[in-house]
Amino acid sequence: GEDVEQSLFLSVREGDSSVINCTYTDSSSTYLYWYKQEPGAGLQLLTYIFSNMDMKQDQRLTVLLNKKDKHLSLRIADTQTGDSAIYFCAENPMNYGGSQGNLIFGKGTKLSVKP
Amino acid sequence: DTEVTQTPKHLVMGMTNKKSLKCEQHMGHRAMYWYKQKAKKPPELMFVYSYEKLSINESVPSRFSPECPNSSLLNLHLHALQPEDSALYLCASSSRGYEQFFGPGTRLTVL
Repeated sequence: GEDVEQSLFLSVREGDSSVINCTYTDSSSTYLYWYKQEPGAGLQLLTYIFSNMDMKQDQRLTVLLNKKDKHLSLRIADTQTGDSAIYFCAENPMNYGGSQGNLIFGKGTKLSVKP
Repeated sequence: DTEVTQTPKHLVMGMTNKKSLKCEQHMGHRAMYWYKQKAKKPPELMFVYSYEKLSINESVPSRFSPECPNSSLLNLHLHALQPEDSALYLCASSSRGYEQFFGPGTRLTVL
């Protein structure tokens, strides 16, 4: 079955890099995603990576994908207090109606940034 | 317009009430979704509409009734809910199936 695992908490100092890790189980997933959720808010799509890519960079965000190990990571450079939020990793398994973009989420990693 | 809007922002209802949640997008997206998110948990898929037809119902109880009146609107009709249905209800839309954009959610409390 589908399962996405993340560590629950990460604490960093302002200005440091943050690395949030995720493992997923379904190798049929075509896309893998990172969403950000601030308290009381909806989910913001931060970035996604196509499964035939190893890396994707977008300003302060770097996504690394190891398809062999089914491991995904999100690196945030120069982390700011405004980056404090819950970060969800998600996959869209093709055998789960993935053509319609159904998402399976991890439990979320709460990132705390200390000044 | 790259926004998914949801109304109301907060809703408190009794177990005998009937209420509706509304979601709207004007991005021309043809897939729309309802998710339920309990506190400190990830979102869980409830329903998927594709081209205004219900394509996925994740065994959701019949006290939740979705409706897609047109390609921009998605409703969730609520009737005879239980306190355990209290949660954040998130709507999302997608054009190509792989980029889902979420609304801010409706915080529902059932008394």
